Amino acid sequence: AQSVTQLGSHVSVSEGALVLLRCNYSSSVPPYLFWYVQYPNQGLQLLLKYTSAATLVKGINGFEAEFKKSETSFHLTKPSAHMSDAAEYFCAVSELTAGNMLTFGGGTRLMVKP
Amino acid sequence: EAQVTQNPRYLITVTGKKLTVTCSQNMNHEYMSWYRQDPGLGLRQIYYSMNVEVTDKGDVPEGYKVSRKEKRNFPLILESPSPNQTSLYFCATPVGLDTGELFFGEGSRLTVL
Repeated sequence: AQSVTQLGSHVSVSEGALVLLRCNYSSSVPPYLFWYVQYPNQGLQLLLKYTSAATLVKGINGFEAEFKKSETSFHLTKPSAHMSDAAEYFCAVSELTAGNMLTFGGGTRLMVKP
Repeated sequence: EAQVTQNPRYLITVTGKKLTVTCSQNMNHEYMSWYRQDPGLGLRQIYYSMNVEVTDKGDVPEGYKVSRKEKRNFPLILESPSPNQTSLYFCATPVGLDTGELFFGEGSRLTVL
């Protein structure tokens, strides 16, 4: 069974600092990997996805993530944090099973200090 | 505009009082699913449906029922809610074929007292 681990349930950075949110996965087959963002009182919005093309994936709002098969990681980064980036971020993996199920990590709440 | 609409968005109820959370999508998709979100646990799949009259259990189906009588609707039924079903619920449908990406509704926050 696949699983996703997000290191750090809460991450705090200063405005303008590097954002690094960690995600490690386990999967028996080459996975599809996703980062979703959830702003307060809203649903989930796709930030970016890896579907076996380029290993460095660029998403919306300046975020990017790198798929590293040898490390089974898919960490999310942004060079310079903005106050509007404060949200909860979820890493997810899909093996495209019949149920089309996404397996999510526990989430990381990003706080941005002025 | 693609939409997944859930109702109610917020609900406070009491133990044992049956309730239904509705989900409707306007994309004519065959596949729909329900997730619950809990702190520290992320989202976990409750049930999914591959097509009308075809449903199956996800990871955490206990205490829930679903039905799929029409393609656009996929209601989640709590026959006898308990406090451990207090959660944020999301309905979802795929974006495209075989992408793994899901399009989520805005969520329904349920509190069971």
